[in-house]
Amino acid sequence: SQQGEEDPQALSIQEGENATMNCSYKTSINNLQWYRQNSGRGLVHLILIRSNEREKHSGRLRVTLDTSKKSSSLLITASRAADTASYFCATAEGYRGSQGNLIFGKGTKLSVKP
Amino acid sequence: EPEVTQTPSHQVTQMGQEVILRCVPISNHLYFYWYRQILGQKVEFLVSFYNNEISEKSEIFDDQFSVERPDGSNFTLKIRSTKLEDSAMYFCASSDWREGNPDTQYFGPGTRLTVL
Repeated sequence: SQQGEEDPQALSIQEGENATMNCSYKTSINNLQWYRQNSGRGLVHLILIRSNEREKHSGRLRVTLDTSKKSSSLLITASRAADTASYFCATAEGYRGSQGNLIFGKGTKLSVKP
Repeated sequence: EPEVTQTPSHQVTQMGQEVILRCVPISNHLYFYWYRQILGQKVEFLVSFYNNEISEKSEIFDDQFSVERPDGSNFTLKIRSTKLEDSAMYFCASSDWREGNPDTQYFGPGTRLTVL
């Protein structure tokens, strides 16, 4: 089965710096979504990128998708202490007639120091 | 902004007991899901539900699990006879998916299930 895998597993940066997280997956996808999870809390949806899109922006977030390399990256610009969380990519196969259930990676734990 | 809600936030139960986890999906959404996350591990898909029936389920979702939409707003996950390894955070999600138009899955805050 396909599997999203993020790297790095952990990332520690200073406030104001940019944070880049990568995700790789194994099979063809319908879309890829990024989620954030604060410690012990729920999953907050950040951004969805479709398989026919290459780049998407939302505020300080920029997501790229390279289907030939089966990889995606999430860039958070001008990071803040409040961005400290775990970030997950999730892929959906989405074959005909199905929404495509999300397959999550292990996540990148981001720590932003004030 | 509409959101998925889940109750209770924390459930403690004895091994072998039945538990029901409750979710209220976003009101105009058509697809509903349960996922779980064992402490320190990945979020794992359990089951998806559409048009009052299960559309897909994972190998985790065995005969001990069942889902129901008892009315127009609630979506429940029942674990018939809990095991220690069922201890996890259980997330409900919903989406307004239309075929050919992938859509975001919105997650609830989760129910932490502890089986003693």
